[in-house]
Amino acid sequence: AQTVTQSQPEMSVQEAETVTLSCTYDTSESDYYLFWYKQPPSRQMILVIRQEAYKQQNATENRFSVNFQKAAKSFSLKISDSQLGDAAMYFCAYKRDKVIFGPGTSLSVIP
Amino acid sequence: DVKVTQSSRYLVKRTGEKVFLECVQDMDHENMFWYRQDPGLGLRLIYFSYDVKMKEKGDIPEGYSVSREKKERFSLILESASTNQTSMYLCASSLAGMTDTQYFGPGTRLTVL
Repeated sequence: AQTVTQSQPEMSVQEAETVTLSCTYDTSESDYYLFWYKQPPSRQMILVIRQEAYKQQNATENRFSVNFQKAAKSFSLKISDSQLGDAAMYFCAYKRDKVIFGPGTSLSVIP
Repeated sequence: DVKVTQSSRYLVKRTGEKVFLECVQDMDHENMFWYRQDPGLGLRLIYFSYDVKMKEKGDIPEGYSVSREKKERFSLILESASTNQTSMYLCASSLAGMTDTQYFGPGTRLTVL
């Protein structure tokens, strides 16, 4: 069965600095999708970034980028120039037939 | 923008009560989902639906049922609420197909006393 692991329950970053959130997953499939979702306090969960497994190029969305290592089954999220609004719970997710979420990483941003 | 709404942000019920959680999406999405979110466990899929009147069990369907009579509305029913069903419940919707992003509602925090 597929599983998604986020080994960092909590992380913090200084405003304007860079932080990397880790995610590993387990699958025997070769074609799938990976996502990072953000859930700000008391607000709706939104998609941050998406990666297709068949694409070698790492996805990027403004200050957010991923390091996708397919062989290692690793999918980390890098947030550059961190802002106070980046403080949230971040969930890594794997999708093939259905979506499987990791346990989440709570990110704090220190002014 | 896709809008997914849930009927209540906070709900307090007593053990044994029948509880209805409603979710409505306004973007004509085929797929709708119900998750529960618990600290340290992430989101776990309870049920999903890929069409009107169709439903599929997720990973933790026990104690829950669902109803989808109209495309835009997906209801989660707790037939007899128990204290271990105290949780945050999230509804989501997406277009059909593997690639499509899920859009989430604001969540309902249910407390069962």
